[in-house]
Formats: sequence, structure tokens, C-alpha cells
Amino acid sequence: DAGITQSPRHKVTETGTPVTLRCHQTENHRYMYWYRQDPGHGLRLIHYSYGVKDTDKGEVSDGYSVSRSKTEDFLLTLESATSSQTSVYFCARSPSGDYNEQFFGPGTRLTVL
Amino acid sequence: AQSVSQHNHHVILSEAASLELGCNYSYGGTVNLFWYVQYPGQHLQLLLKYFSGDPLVKGIKGFEAEFIKSKFSFNLRKPSVQWSDTAEYFCAVSSSNTGKLIFGQGTTLQVKP
Repeated sequence: DAGITQSPRHKVTETGTPVTLRCHQTENHRYMYWYRQDPGHGLRLIHYSYGVKDTDKGEVSDGYSVSRSKTEDFLLTLESATSSQTSVYFCARSPSGDYNEQFFGPGTRLTVL
Repeated sequence: AQSVSQHNHHVILSEAASLELGCNYSYGGTVNLFWYVQYPGQHLQLLLKYFSGDPLVKGIKGFEAEFIKSKFSFNLRKPSVQWSDTAEYFCAVSSSNTGKLIFGQGTTLQVKP
């Protein structure tokens, strides 16, 4: 892997249920990101973190929350899943915000029925 | 708001054909530019990036891209594609020191053997 894993890899859930996706990195990178990938939209940033307990919103943050209590873990929570949140979710890590590539996880395919 | 537009959504080429994928962005300030690739079943990975200097940048696997500031473009090229180049290609732009990326919609490239 790219020093970053996601769990679960696949999940099917029902509308209205809470869902938490986990991203785990082994490279001690300061920055972590959550994206969603939808056909015709590419990847869109949901939330990102620039350190433990430091997070900020991306362009499509409504309906999502995040937490980062340790450098290596970045959690994405859907408090009450909706069908519009059916998507593939990618996590990424980066050592800094400047001039560095992001290293992506394998993705989580979430289906909300 | 920043945006990134990839002109070709689905490209089909025969092996040895030349490739050019278009990418235009809308932002008036200093930008960092990236091309990422997602091979079937794999993570997104960086092909190449531009931050400053020579506007013609070379990446992995024989890819290159040219930054034309006056046209707000960062087109990806490869002189001769191979079947193994079959993948989805994403152009992305970052303009802040948080590393937040704005992605284009993606281009699916299918190379016929």
C-alpha cells in the first residue's frame, strides 16, 4: 500500500444510520484529507486535517464530520446517511500543505439504500 | 471559486498513438498543478506536478505536461501510449498552503492493443 489504509473497503447501509469510515497512515504525515469520488465530478474535498484535533471544511462538507485524535487516524462520520452520500471515499496523506503530493488510500465504496 | 475542467471524458486510442488530455483551470493567482492517474483497481498516484520553473514538466512512464499560463492550461501528453496506460486521469490544482486540491472531472483512457 501507499502507507495509508482505509476501512471498511465496502459498506452497504440504510438511510438514516450513522456511518464511520476510518483512515490510517503509517508515515506520520501532518496533513490528511477526505474526498469523495462521483462520476462526472472527479474527486471533491470533504474535510481535511492539518494536525491532531485541527480540521477544516472542504467544498462538500455538509452532512459529514471528522475527527483526528491521533496523527495516524482520521475518521469520517456520516451522522445520518442519505442516498446522496453513496459514493467512493478516498483518504489521502501529505507531509505538508506546500508543494507536496498527496498519497491516496485504496478507497471505500459506500452504498446507502 | 476555483474550478478545473478536463475536456475529454472518455478517450479511446490504439497502441502507439499519441495522447493529449486537456486541462484548464480558473484561478488568477499562483497555482500548483498536478496530474494523477488511477489504474484499474489501484490507488490514485501522482504522474507529475508543476510548481515553478520550466513550464514543461516530465513525469513517470513517459508522460509530460506543459503549463501555459496565458491559457490557464496544463495539458498532459505522451508520444506513444501503451495498453498499460489504460486508466483514469485527473488534473488537479492547488492554490493555498493547505494543499487542498481541486480536481477535474477525470478522463477515462482506454488503449486498445
